[in-house]
Amino acid sequence: EAGVAQSPRYKIIEKRQSVAFWCNPISGHATLYWYQQILGQGPKLLIQFQNNGVVDDSQLPKDRFSAERLKGVDSTLKIQPAKLEDSAVYLCASSTPGNTIYFGEGSWLTVV
Amino acid sequence: GENVEQHPSTLSVQEGDSAVIKCTYSDSASNYFPWYKQELGKGPQLIIDIRSNVGEKKDQRIAVTLNKTAKHFSLHITETQPEDSAVYFCAASRGGANNLFFGTGTRLTVIP
Repeated sequence: EAGVAQSPRYKIIEKRQSVAFWCNPISGHATLYWYQQILGQGPKLLIQFQNNGVVDDSQLPKDRFSAERLKGVDSTLKIQPAKLEDSAVYLCASSTPGNTIYFGEGSWLTVV
Repeated sequence: GENVEQHPSTLSVQEGDSAVIKCTYSDSASNYFPWYKQELGKGPQLIIDIRSNVGEKKDQRIAVTLNKTAKHFSLHITETQPEDSAVYFCAASRGGANNLFFGTGTRLTVIP
């Protein structure tokens, strides 16, 4: 079974620029999550989708972050404009309701 | 919301010895407790999980115990091997399609 796919794996941008990350969940997984993991910390939820609807986006900095999951499959997370403190690994994860959450390899963002 | 604390932050053991990592949680409604292993440059990978209706679960060299009254759970790794070296995260959730709240991680080093 193919895992959660993410791209790009690595991205370096200057502050105030924009960046977008893409995620393709495991086939059949209705729930999709975006987590932010700052170096030395545990992952923290940014947004959770159930199919193409948002379940929880309470921790998403909406002035600069946006995410969508059109057609209930792939998802895109965008940051515009980026700040230095956005440097982190952005992890996409997916699950079937009530079951194990599987993570992708992550997209590493450095803002300089 | 849920708050998960994890100790120790770093742990070094000799190959063949046992390693124990402990976590506490604050939300009495949490009923799902997974453990993830994260190797450098990779996403978290589930190694074992436990639900609140059981007190202990084992899978070969790995075991997890849960004390719901005290709101703490622990990961036990026996006969440690160098390939067990990684960062381990505990997490807690209300289950279902609910979000995971992660601890701050434990960097385990197994010395050959």
